[in-house]
Amino acid sequence: QSALTQPASVSGSPGQSITISCTGTSSDVGGYNYVSWYQQHPGKAPKLMIYDVSNRPSGVSNRFSGSKSGNTASLTISGLQAEDEADYYCSSYTSSSTPMFGGGTKLTVL
Amino acid sequence: EVQLVESGGGLVQPGGSLRLSCAASGFTFSSYDMHWVRQATGKGLEWVSVIGTAGDTYYPGSVKGRFTISRENAKNSLYLQMNSLRAEDTAVYYCARAVRPPMAAAGTLRYFDYWGQGTLVTVSS
Repeated sequence: QSALTQPASVSGSPGQSITISCTGTSSDVGGYNYVSWYQQHPGKAPKLMIYDVSNRPSGVSNRFSGSKSGNTASLTISGLQAEDEADYYCSSYTSSSTPMFGGGTKLTVL
Repeated sequence: EVQLVESGGGLVQPGGSLRLSCAASGFTFSSYDMHWVRQATGKGLEWVSVIGTAGDTYYPGSVKGRFTISRENAKNSLYLQMNSLRAEDTAVYYCARAVRPPMAAAGTLRYFDYWGQGTLVTVSS
């Protein structure tokens, strides 16, 4: 079972918006509304940022938003800030029932 | 406040064994599926195992037959017994609390809402 596909890196300047994609198949991303996104700073544990494609947990900034079209989910960060520089991982429910992660995307704030 | 605290990591020789623990607090431990997820240095997240609320367990092929996940609800504790360790098992191991989709089978993942800080396992001679 292959991991979900994410770009290795994205970058943006403070104040700009960036989007990270997460591409799967109809057996995972495209088939269910259970995509989640995690932020991980160096040396720290992952933190849930988005669940069920577009829902934000309490305490997560509304600068973070999620969406999905077909087999591709997306995480958008608007008003980019230096503290957003981190690795981001997507995950999806799969028809095989075993958890699946994307390969991760390194966000650099220029 | 939900807290997950891993322990038990360290240096072990190839072929050796190690037992990881995860102490949970701040929630009703017995009501949640619990997972182990690992991350090799500079690499992505890799799912390792899950134990459902009824004790059913699942593993990926990479660890099946070598790793055993268990839980002790009375002690709010999660464990991972790792045997026949290989160099490629070297990683930070995280325990994570999972939310399951409605009416879904045990172990199926909707999302991870809390993670521990991780414990480092190094397999080397």
